[in-house]
Amino acid sequence: LAKTTQPISMDSYEGQEVNITCSHNNIATNDYITWYQQFPSQGPRFIIQGYKTKVTNEVASLFIPADRKSSTLSLPRVSLSDTAVYYCLVGVDYKLSFGAGTTVTVRA
Amino acid sequence: EAGVAQSPRYKIIEKRQSVAFWCNPISGHATLYWYQQILGQGPKLLIQFQNNGVVDDSQLPKDRFSAERLKGVDSTLKIQPAKLEDSAVYLCAGRTNTGELFFGEGSRLTVL
Repeated sequence: LAKTTQPISMDSYEGQEVNITCSHNNIATNDYITWYQQFPSQGPRFIIQGYKTKVTNEVASLFIPADRKSSTLSLPRVSLSDTAVYYCLVGVDYKLSFGAGTTVTVRA
Repeated sequence: EAGVAQSPRYKIIEKRQSVAFWCNPISGHATLYWYQQILGQGPKLLIQFQNNGVVDDSQLPKDRFSAERLKGVDSTLKIQPAKLEDSAVYLCAGRTNTGELFFGEGSRLTVL
């Protein structure tokens, strides 16, 4: 299983862009990179998934360099409601393991 | 589309008692996971089902935890006897064909 490392916490202000980088040095060829968001008292919610280069959806962008040993989740113009824990997962099919995640706090 | 249903949402028991949690994933999600999330930590995988078969239960404490998915739809996770360290939120998730996990709101267990 690819081990992931991400910052424990990040602070930001409303309207700013938040970038969370996840390191996964031993990512396997078939592994995908997936990010989840979790609010208190709720289950994690899928944000975005990618394999290489850049993926963008209506919520976020995911940047993956050519060596795939890291990835960066970019949240544009965050609001107070984006305060949550963000998890980076690396794997395929089963054995998707969550790390401790990054607690993002957005302030007014 | 209905989401992942879990019950009960909250349960308080004393140590050495037993408890069962139920999960009904989104229709068509053949792969089902049970996770344990202790306060302040990320979810930890307990068991994975593919239809009614177990794919991975390597992290399930089998001396006290058991899980089944007899008809390949809903699933039950049981703890007997419970220990204080089992206090956690138990999350159920189904997986789409594209690998996206859909989680329920979880069942919060407090063991006194």
